[in-house]
Amino acid sequence: AQKITQTQPGMFVQEKEAVTLDCTYDTSDPSYGLFWYKQPSSGEMIFLIYQGSYDQQNATEGRYSLNFQKARKSANLVISASQLGDSAMYFCAMRTNTGNQFYFGTGTSLTVIP
Amino acid sequence: ETGVTQSPTHLIKTRGQQVTLRCSSQSGHNTVSWYQQALGQGPQFIFQYYREEENGRGNFPPRFSGLQFPNYSSELNVNALELDDSALYLCASSPPPRGTGGNTEAFFGQGTRLTVV
Repeated sequence: AQKITQTQPGMFVQEKEAVTLDCTYDTSDPSYGLFWYKQPSSGEMIFLIYQGSYDQQNATEGRYSLNFQKARKSANLVISASQLGDSAMYFCAMRTNTGNQFYFGTGTSLTVIP
Repeated sequence: ETGVTQSPTHLIKTRGQQVTLRCSSQSGHNTVSWYQQALGQGPQFIFQYYREEENGRGNFPPRFSGLQFPNYSSELNVNALELDDSALYLCASSPPPRGTGGNTEAFFGQGTRLTVV
């Protein structure tokens, strides 16, 4: 069975500082993708970054980077230079090559403090 | 903006009624999936449609049903509404898969917030 675990219900970060949001996963499928989505209060899930299980290097997208540690089954999101607009819920998700669905964690609420 | 649009944005229904939610997928995306997100939870997979056929279903009862149309837009129908059906319903569209690694991202709409009273 596939599972995503996010253990931080809420996080606070000072504006312009970096923050790490934790995510661990479990799957027996050797081929999978890991995703991070941002969900503001409006409800839309906004795609941030993707990491494939066979990718050798950590993914980066602007201020977002994914710290992928395959042996530990972790895929932490690092947001550098936090901005007030980063305040939102953040969801880690996984999709396997053999399945159709995304498996989501319970999310982390990030608040950026001025 | 993802190009995935859902309607309506908010809806209030009475227990026992039926509801239809609609989703227009992003251009070129032939796969549409639906998720239910209860308050304080992550989205849960309901089902997925690919080329007008259901090709995956989560742990939801048969009163949750769907359709996909030739233009790849989709509907989610829920019969005999229960109070626990109150949630944000998200539609996601995906392009055709491009290789291995589960690497096809999904683009989500803004959701329909359903309240059952």
